[in-house]
Formats: sequence, structure tokens, C-alpha cells
Amino acid sequence: EAGVTQSPTHLIKTRGQQATLRCSPISGHTSVYWYQQALGLGLQFLLWYDEGEERNRGNFPPRFSGRQFPNYSSELNVNALELEDSALYLCASSLRYTGKTQYFGPGTRLLVL
Amino acid sequence: DAKTTQPTSMDCAEGRAANLPCNHSTISGNEYVYWYRQIHSQGPQYIIHGLKNNETNEMASLIITEDRKSSTLILPHATLRDTAVYYCIVRPTNRDDKIIFGKGTRLHILP
Repeated sequence: EAGVTQSPTHLIKTRGQQATLRCSPISGHTSVYWYQQALGLGLQFLLWYDEGEERNRGNFPPRFSGRQFPNYSSELNVNALELEDSALYLCASSLRYTGKTQYFGPGTRLLVL
Repeated sequence: DAKTTQPTSMDCAEGRAANLPCNHSTISGNEYVYWYRQIHSQGPQYIIHGLKNNETNEMASLIITEDRKSSTLILPHATLRDTAVYYCIVRPTNRDDKIIFGKGTRLHILP
């Protein structure tokens, strides 16, 4: 069974540009979570999508946004990129039911110059 | 969510059992204990979870004390590929929601 996939693996942007990161969940999973891991910092929760709706978001500015498609894949968009947005962005998926295990993808490493 | 306390780092000789402790003294009755690990620059890998009984799978064993205030993750025969940061997390059973990661334990497997 295929795991969570993310693309691209690496992304280089300049300040002020927009970045789009993509995630495909494990087949059958309807919930998608996004996390940010900046260098030297822990994993921080960004966003949670389920059944196409944003269910919760972490303490990040509105320029971090996303969506979930009918096939449950998801995009994370980061507008007006800042240098401190450079990080590993991780996507996880889980079954819809409460408290289910989240499985993580390999991540997209974003570098903002 | 309940907080966890883990040692910052640990060493273990290759081939030996690695025992990683975790304190979660404020855990609630409806919270699971989860373990993930993160090998350098990769996504976190799910290892195991439990509520109050000990659990074992192909990767590890999880021993939870009777009062549920602490647990130990056991990697029975550590290899160099087990070198990673190990995260102990408590999560409610009745919520779909974010995982709150702490700093974890950096485990070094020594050849």
C-alpha cells in the first residue's frame, strides 16, 4: 500500500513569491494535516482538512492557506514568502474517525532566498 | 493536551535493546500514548501506540505503567538505522486533531 506522497521534494523561491506544496494521502484516508518544521525547531501544526473543509489551523498567519480536493489530496499555499518560511513542510493523513493514527509523508523542503 | 518529559539524548550499543523512557504524569484516562521517530530530514514514522495495556508490533514494544504516568519504548535489537529522534506523545481518543510534538529523545546507536 502506498504511503503519503508529497511533491515537490525540494522547492526554492525568493522573498515575496508564492509556493504551492502538494500532498496525496494514503488511500482511504480522508483527513490531511500539514506541519512545519523549521531548522532547529520542533514540528508545528499548520492546518487540518477533512472532507474538503478546513477543520482547524495552528498559530500561523493567513498567508498560509490550503485546500482539499474531492479525491482528498491537498495543497498548501504560502503567499508573500518570507525568509523564515524556509522549513520542511510535512503532510500527514489519517482515517476520519476520532483519534486515528496520523501517517506522515517524506516532506517538502522549502528554501526562501 | 498532557505534556510529556523525555531525556534529551541517549546512547545504545548496536544489537542491544534500547529502552526509551517517557513521563506523562498528567495523562487523562481518554488519552493514548503514541511514539513516533524522525530520522534526519525525513517525515516522522509511526512506531506504536497504546492506552493502558502493553503493546508489541514488528518494530517495538510499549510498556505502560499501571498508573499510566510513564511508559517505555523498547527497540529489542537496535541497529544503526534506529538512530533518530524519538517522540512520545499523548493524544485524546475522542478528537481528530493536531499532534503536539515535544523535543523528543535523540537516540544514538553506537557500533
